[in-house]
Amino acid sequence: ILNVEQSPQSLHVQEGDSTNFTCSFPSSNFYALHWYRWETAKSPEALFVMTLNGDEKKKGRISATLNTKEGYSYLYIKGSQPEDSATYLCAFGDSNYQLIWGAGTKLIIKP
Amino acid sequence: KAGVTQTPRYLIKTRGQQVTLSCSPISGHRSVSWYQQTPGQGLQFLFEYFSETQRNKGNFPGRFSGRQFSNSRSEMNVSTLELGDSALYLCASSLDFVASPEQFFGPGTRLTVL
Repeated sequence: ILNVEQSPQSLHVQEGDSTNFTCSFPSSNFYALHWYRWETAKSPEALFVMTLNGDEKKKGRISATLNTKEGYSYLYIKGSQPEDSATYLCAFGDSNYQLIWGAGTKLIIKP
Repeated sequence: KAGVTQTPRYLIKTRGQQVTLSCSPISGHRSVSWYQQTPGQGLQFLFEYFSETQRNKGNFPGRFSGRQFSNSRSEMNVSTLELGDSALYLCASSLDFVASPEQFFGPGTRLTVL
């Protein structure tokens, strides 16, 4: 059974602070690692799709890194804002092109 | 460009009934994937269609089926509904999930089975 683990489960961060969380995934049969942001009452929104070991991607204040050899990815948010409050999901794409999802990290930004 | 649409948004059925959910992808997208989200399980992959063919299937019983039409619209059918089928069903479209895996999600259909 393939497991994708995200930590922490939830996180309270003061507005303006930076934060990061982790996605752990199997280190074999890797195809891609996806990060999504899911705000309440909205659809999941793609943040990054990473396919190469060592990939680093950035979108505004959010960035992500990927280590496929050890099976982890970090998501960083710099200078958190209230609109960053959401659940952040990662999904491991295996070599059969199936996505296995983590349970998510719920981020709450305190003003 | 219109986003992914799903109909209906909410549905209430009773055990034993069947249900059909619909998904219209973004124009030009040929790949549609379906996911089930339940509180205890998180998102689980149901199946993926590309150019009217089921290309991939998750670990769900045969009661769950789908199809894709020539205009890339997709339907998902669940027969003989069980209480445990109550969930949010999401579809996502992409140009081609294998070649270009970025997906765009619809708003979901909330199915309640009584």
